[in-house]
Amino acid sequence: EIVMTQSPATLSVSPGERATLSCRASQSVSTNLAWYQQKPGQAPRLLVYGASTRATGVPARFSGSGSGTEFTLTISSLQSEDFAVYYCQQSNNWPVTFGQGTKVEIK
Amino acid sequence: QITLKESGPTLVKPTQTLTLTCTFSGFSLTTSGVGVAWIRQPPGKALEWIAFIYWNDDKRYSPSLQNRVTITKDISKNQVVLTMTNVDPVDTATYYCARRLLVRGQVLDPWGQGTLVTVSS
Repeated sequence: EIVMTQSPATLSVSPGERATLSCRASQSVSTNLAWYQQKPGQAPRLLVYGASTRATGVPARFSGSGSGTEFTLTISSLQSEDFAVYYCQQSNNWPVTFGQGTKVEIK
Repeated sequence: QITLKESGPTLVKPTQTLTLTCTFSGFSLTTSGVGVAWIRQPPGKALEWIAFIYWNDDKRYSPSLQNRVTITKDISKNQVVLTMTNVDPVDTATYYCARRLLVRGQVLDPWGQGTLVTVSS
């Protein structure tokens, strides 16, 4: 099973600042990596798939990069609605696995 | 518009069998490449994938749960059903269903709102 490790666990950022979230896979997942956003009491929402393709309707301030074992989700200028938990997910190998999440909180 | 909605019991006793239904609209499980997944999330914890079912009736299960779960589909009702036997309090979680996006890999979009299931005597 591929283990996905996200860092940091919590990221404190001021509105308007840049946030950089990391996701590391225990073995290569090529670019079969997706990012999801989850707000309290809500279902996850797809942000990025294929490591760098934004999902429909996702603002351009969200960008994904990486391949192999190292991935990054960058939020260029945090808006109030971006404070949430972010999960990465690999689907290069079965079973599909998620990271433990990074909580982006207001500094 | 694609929507999915989970339904089922909110409280189940230990050792019982849990049956959850995902009712969807806006797509068909007869279309090539389409799949529906179940994912769960214990309170305050991370997401855990449970199972996938595809348009051709191919099924995939999490190794940690495969001995206790079964996923099936009812095309006529636009439903996917997850059955979990011998539940335990550690199975307490919000259970989500989600559609597989028709791109490379198992990308999930959109998700249902989720249903909280508590396992307790």
